[in-house]
Amino acid sequence: AQSVTQLDSQVPVFEEAPVELRCNYSSSVSVYLFWYVQYPNQGLQLLLKYLSGSTLVKGINGFEAEFNKSQTSFHLRKPSVHISDTAEYFCAVRGRQLTFGSGTQLTVLP
Amino acid sequence: SQTIHQWPATLVQPVGSPLSLECTVEGTSNPNLYWYRQAAGRGLQLLFYSVGIGQISSEVPQNLSASRPQDRQFILSSKKLLLSDSGFYLCAWSGGLYQETQYFGPGTRLLVL
Repeated sequence: AQSVTQLDSQVPVFEEAPVELRCNYSSSVSVYLFWYVQYPNQGLQLLLKYLSGSTLVKGINGFEAEFNKSQTSFHLRKPSVHISDTAEYFCAVRGRQLTFGSGTQLTVLP
Repeated sequence: SQTIHQWPATLVQPVGSPLSLECTVEGTSNPNLYWYRQAAGRGLQLLFYSVGIGQISSEVPQNLSASRPQDRQFILSSKKLLLSDSGFYLCAWSGGLYQETQYFGPGTRLLVL
């Protein structure tokens, strides 16, 4: 069985500050890891994914994430956030099926 | 390019009424299709997935059912809605059973009163 834990349910941050959204996973098989973003009343949009290869993955909108196998983590980072980054972010792990974390609400303050 | 549609976008239904939500995918053949529910303040729960026409797998026991009458059409139904069926319903597709990436539709917000 697999699971995903997003350690922070809400992250407020000021505009142009860096941000890290934390994600830890557990899985008994090789994993594929994803971050999705959801804007209010919209579906999920794929930000980035790790399937294999380089552990540093770059995605859309200036986000990146680092796969750390020893710490079973896949934290999402952005060096400088914008107001438009305000949204909910979901980490997910794909084993037999896609399992999602409970989400982190990122709020960027002016 | 591939596109996924869901309708209606919003739906308000009384308890005990039937439900039919539709999802269609364009620009791909033989997709895997998925229905998820997102309750307020919670993550996504996989309800059903389908690997082909007429093939439905249910992940959790519940008041809902799914059907796939055509290759790129996935329908979520209920004969009698419950209050607990309220939520945001998302359809997704992937390129195959072991294709890793799922792509999501815009969602349907269902409110059962």
